[in-house]
Amino acid sequence: EAQVTQNPRYLITVTGKKLTVTCSQNMNHEYMSWYRQDPGLGLRQIYYSMNVEVTDKGDVPEGYKVSRKEKRNFPLILESPSPNQTSLYFCASSSSTGLNTEAFFGQGTRLTVV
Amino acid sequence: AQKITQTQPGMFVQEKEAVTLDCTYDTSDPSYGLFWYKQPSSGEMIFLIYQGSYDQQNATEGRYSLNFQKARKSANLVISASQLGDSAMYFCAMRLDSNYQLIWGAGTKLIIKP
Repeated sequence: EAQVTQNPRYLITVTGKKLTVTCSQNMNHEYMSWYRQDPGLGLRQIYYSMNVEVTDKGDVPEGYKVSRKEKRNFPLILESPSPNQTSLYFCASSSSTGLNTEAFFGQGTRLTVV
Repeated sequence: AQKITQTQPGMFVQEKEAVTLDCTYDTSDPSYGLFWYKQPSSGEMIFLIYQGSYDQQNATEGRYSLNFQKARKSANLVISASQLGDSAMYFCAMRLDSNYQLIWGAGTKLIIKP
């Protein structure tokens, strides 16, 4: 089954404790991205990747890191999480960056930083 | 600046009635694509429908149709014969030809009443 898999689904952590949210897709998609969703703000892009070893900042990259060592994986790293990073996070992938290309989303990771 | 505006934070609709969810966009790019996604309470993002800026016809997918008014820069989602399962958050998004990033609206929470 074609899918984007994120783990974990839920995470509660303390301020400053490094964490990684994994994302993996099995559709051989080149384009992957991370979003955070906050009430009243919709989805905002954190980072994106056009292909292996190619990543770039989105609209809200501060406090986050990513890597793309393999085509299928695109982990999101929070080196020192803070409470303002409490949010719902989505990983998405698409086969290309064409106008009509549908983005496929993971199930989401609800992160709480206390 | 590129922007998506969804002016209805929430809507209540009686089951079996038609629903129109508003979306206006702002861009000076001549080439763009518009998407609608559904987010049920379980959290996943489900692609519903796509409209390209050069498409002559309004897009339709089953009970979903997109009322595309290019001069007004609006791309409203119409759901015919609403069902209880349509209760969800609905997001409008835009992709530009000049920048493959998806730009999202704040969303509309739709509740269908029995």
